[in-house]
Amino acid sequence: AQKITQTQPGMFVQEKEAVTLDCTYDTSDQSYGLFWYKQPSSGEMIFLIYQGSYDEQNATEGRYSLNFQKARKSANLVISASQLGDSAMYFCAMRGGGTSYGKLTFGQGTILTVHP
Amino acid sequence: NAGVTQTPKFQVLKTGQSMTLQCAQDMNHEYMSWYRQDPGMGLRLIHYSVGAGITDQGEVPNGYNVSRSTTEDFPLRLLSAAPSQTSVYFCASSYLPMDGGSNTGELFFGEGSRLTVL
Repeated sequence: AQKITQTQPGMFVQEKEAVTLDCTYDTSDQSYGLFWYKQPSSGEMIFLIYQGSYDEQNATEGRYSLNFQKARKSANLVISASQLGDSAMYFCAMRGGGTSYGKLTFGQGTILTVHP
Repeated sequence: NAGVTQTPKFQVLKTGQSMTLQCAQDMNHEYMSWYRQDPGMGLRLIHYSVGAGITDQGEVPNGYNVSRSTTEDFPLRLLSAAPSQTSVYFCASSYLPMDGGSNTGELFFGEGSRLTVL
């Protein structure tokens, strides 16, 4: 079974600064994938970034990067140059390999507030 | 290309009533799933399907039924609604991920359905 832990219920950041959202995971699978999703106040789920367990380099997508530390089982999301529109709930999620198919396990989420 | 479409977006039920949340996707995804979102608990998997005619239970299946007669549609049925089923429900779909392949298994979500059971 997979487990995702997000220990920061809420985070605050000043506009244009960088922020790190923490995510740790637990799995016995050798092959797995890690995801980050954004949920603005309007409620939709927006895919941000993906990291495969065998990927040697940290994933990056524009202002988003994933700080993947496999030995520590952490997959923190780094948002550079925060914008007011980044204020939202952020979910870390993972899928296992093999017969886990597309099942994603989600963390509890972190609410990010960007101050002007 | 509509993606994943859920209906209705809002619904109020009385305890004991039944209803069906509809979900349709037009991306030819093999995998479809239903999640519920409750405050402080993230998203929890209710049921999922890896293809037409194949369904299985997720983490919180009690009180819900699903079927998958076509690739496109995956309705979620509440047979006898209870206040504990008050939640926001998301339908999601994806291609099945392949280990070592380029398909990540990213989930595409519908807009969500807010259900209140009185």
